[in-house]
Amino acid sequence: DTAVSQTPKYLVTQMGNDKSIKCEQNLGHDTMYWYKQDSKKFLKIMFSYNNKELIINETVPNRFSPKSPDKAHLNLHINSLELGDSAVYFCASSQQGVSSPLHFGNGTRLTVT
Amino acid sequence: GQQVMQIPQYQHVQEGEDFTTYCNSSTTLSNIQWYKQRPGGHPVFLIQLVKSGEVKKQKRLTFQFGEAKKNSSLHITATQTTDVGTYFCAEDSGGSNYKLTFGKGTLLTVNP
Repeated sequence: DTAVSQTPKYLVTQMGNDKSIKCEQNLGHDTMYWYKQDSKKFLKIMFSYNNKELIINETVPNRFSPKSPDKAHLNLHINSLELGDSAVYFCASSQQGVSSPLHFGNGTRLTVT
Repeated sequence: GQQVMQIPQYQHVQEGEDFTTYCNSSTTLSNIQWYKQRPGGHPVFLIQLVKSGEVKKQKRLTFQFGEAKKNSSLHITATQTTDVGTYFCAEDSGGSNYKLTFGKGTLLTVNP
């Protein structure tokens, strides 16, 4: 199936831990994104990459480090997790930038206790 | 930064009633996109509007882009329970090709 897939679907962890979320798209898209959706459903962009290159870093704390080994993958590593990091994280991709529709993954619900 | 304001935040309707959500910007938008997110789901692209005054229809959904390209609306005729979800507009933040900024969304609930 052609899609944006991210793992894991759920992540429950304690404060101070380090965790990673993986994202892969097989749509042949050039651009990938990470969005954070808080409890009020507000969708906020974190990062965007185009052909493995970081384009947008939306004042995200340094504890968040994206990595794009190739244009089909964009992983997100989070160090020293805090309570406020609890949210749903969505990976997305688009053919080339935001002039084309974004295709979202199913999301990763992160709960920090 | 530039952001579209979306209203209302919530809307509860009886099945069969109409529903409209609005997005407004203080600046001219190059284009606007609409997404739907079902409860527990992920945002799904509905449509993109580019031209001034553009009107597009998808079955019971009608999308409009204002003449000045500063506002947009999504209207659903005769809502059904399957229309439940959060509807987001999104804009490209003043022409950045790599940053799509979402409105705060309108949560639609439908009473059967």
